[in-house]
Amino acid sequence: AQTVTQSQPEMSVQEAETVTLSCTYDTSENNYYLFWYKQPPSRQMILVIRQEAYKQQNATENRFSVNFQKAAKSFSLKISDSQLGDTAMYFCAFMVGGGADGLTFGKGTHLIIQP
Amino acid sequence: DADVTQTPRNRITKTGKRIMLECSQTKGHDRMYWYRQDPGLGLRLIYYSFDVKDINKGEISDGYSVSRQAQAKFSLSLESAIPNQTALYFCATSDYLGTPQHFGDGTRLSIL
Repeated sequence: AQTVTQSQPEMSVQEAETVTLSCTYDTSENNYYLFWYKQPPSRQMILVIRQEAYKQQNATENRFSVNFQKAAKSFSLKISDSQLGDTAMYFCAFMVGGGADGLTFGKGTHLIIQP
Repeated sequence: DADVTQTPRNRITKTGKRIMLECSQTKGHDRMYWYRQDPGLGLRLIYYSFDVKDINKGEISDGYSVSRQAQAKFSLSLESAIPNQTALYFCATSDYLGTPQHFGDGTRLSIL
């Protein structure tokens, strides 16, 4: 079974700062995918970024980037130039290749961007 | 219109009642999932289905059942609701290998 750990229940930063959210996972699989989802107060689950384990290059999406360290089983999310709209719960999630068992989620980090 | 639609959006009911939560999608995806979200616990998988004839239990299936009526429809039932099933329930779909899951807007269920 896979486990995903997010060690920061809550973080708070000033607008325009850079913030990094931590995620570690445990698996014996070699083929898998990692995701970060954002859940704003509206409760929607919004995909932020996706990383394939077989790719060494870190994924980026505009202000969002990841630091994927496969050997360390670490998958952190960096948000640059943070904005008020980034305030949300952020969930790290793991999926075995093929998606046979759905997503395994961490418990989430509540990120607050202060004006 | 939303690609993944959940009904109802909110529901309050009493212990012992039978409840059905519905999910429909227009994305044409074969794979559909039901998750439950509790405060401080993230989302946990209840059931999933890869096609109309395929139903699989997830991590926390006890007390729940599902029906895949068509490729586009996947419903979750609580046969006899109990208060600790109070939670936010999400339906999700995905296309195939490794593709991200697309979530509905969730159903907030309160059982008194």
